[in-house]
Amino acid sequence: GAGVSQSPRYKVAKRGQDVALRCDPISGHVSLFWYQQALGQGPEFLTYFQNEAQLDKSGLPSDRFFAERPEGSVSTLKIQRTQQEDSAVYLCASSLKNKGSARGHTDTQYFGPGTRLTVL
Amino acid sequence: DAKTTQPTSMDCAEGRAANLPCNHSTISGNEYVYWYRQIHSQGPQYIIHGLKNNETNEMASLIITEDRKSSTLILPHATLRDTAVYYCIVRVAGGNNRLAFGKGNQVVVIP
Repeated sequence: GAGVSQSPRYKVAKRGQDVALRCDPISGHVSLFWYQQALGQGPEFLTYFQNEAQLDKSGLPSDRFFAERPEGSVSTLKIQRTQQEDSAVYLCASSLKNKGSARGHTDTQYFGPGTRLTVL
Repeated sequence: DAKTTQPTSMDCAEGRAANLPCNHSTISGNEYVYWYRQIHSQGPQYIIHGLKNNETNEMASLIITEDRKSSTLILPHATLRDTAVYYCIVRVAGGNNRLAFGKGNQVVVIP
């Protein structure tokens, strides 16, 4: 079946511009995560949604970063007034959260290809 | 979540088994061991995970020591397409189960 998709794959922005990055999770997946990956580093957690509820946004680096998932499926990560340090690959992942799962059950996250953002 | 330690890089011979080590000496009883890999310019790809028993799937085998303080990911017959950064991650079950990737192990499969 279809995996996680992200668009655009590449985005170049001038410093100070606003950008919006889209994530289409796997159909039926309840949980959605955003990660940021700087060059040469591993991905770092930004924020987490369960359905439409943003349950954790502790990884967002500043108040210029905003994420939403209004209908519990597609999510958008918005960065306002972009800065050069925002240049990175932004990754989206989704997982199927089974509310009735047995204790100890974990949810595998499946990642999209990422959006590479370059701020000039 | 517990921290993991992996080699920064390693080379493997094509066609041979590749054994990728990971130390997680502070792992707690409810933390799973996950392995992901990231091929250049792609998103991370799930490989396998386990709690305490050894696990095998179509991609790899995961061997976890009895004390759970270390594990080994085994790629049975490495191919050039297995060249990637491999991440060993430990994670608590349930809740906001974010993944803490670290820097990973750059594995290069050599012809």
